[in-house]
Amino acid sequence: AQSVTQPDIHITVSEGASLELRCNYSYGATPYLFWYVQSPGQGLQLLLKYFSGDTLVQGIKGFEAEFKRSQSSFNLRKPSVHWSDAAEYFCAVALPYNNNDMRFGAGTRLTVKP
Amino acid sequence: SQTIHQWPATLVQPVGSPLSLECTVEGTSNPNLYWYRQAAGRGLQLLFYSVGIGQISSEVPQNLSASRPQDRQFILSSKKLLLSDSGFYLCAWRTGSNQPQHFGDGTRLSIL
Repeated sequence: AQSVTQPDIHITVSEGASLELRCNYSYGATPYLFWYVQSPGQGLQLLLKYFSGDTLVQGIKGFEAEFKRSQSSFNLRKPSVHWSDAAEYFCAVALPYNNNDMRFGAGTRLTVKP
Repeated sequence: SQTIHQWPATLVQPVGSPLSLECTVEGTSNPNLYWYRQAAGRGLQLLFYSVGIGQISSEVPQNLSASRPQDRQFILSSKKLLLSDSGFYLCAWRTGSNQPQHFGDGTRLSIL
């Protein structure tokens, strides 16, 4: 079955430390891949997207993600976390040529310690 | 540039009352439109999507309905709200299956 998995429900990191949020997908073909961030009470903001080409994708707010086909993963990284990065992060996948099949992971809540 | 508006931002309604949430998109034509519900601390559940005026697809059976009376207007409705309808409702749009979805700021719906 097609699915998106974010294995970590909650992650806590210290300010200034590096961050990696995991995302794995299970699809028959390589989907389009996205990461979104959601602050409390707000909508989702797109951080970055991968369609094809270079497997290391740069996004906004200093985030990057790497697509690894062999591992069916699209992990989000940031070298140095800021307190303002505390939020909920969602990985999402979409199948090409499919208008409705955009699936979201359950989300990872990031807490940043001072 | 494209923008999406959702209103109201917050709504408190009694059980059994009707509901109407509105979403409008500006700056694009013929977008795909989506309604999601997000329960507290949970992921997103797709409720409805629309690829054109009057075209609505429902993803889950429920107490809600959706309509698209104009190209860039998407409405979520209910005739009688249930307690289980509480949640955070998000509207989103995109221009095609190879594009990301863009979200509104959401409506926090509380049912008393």
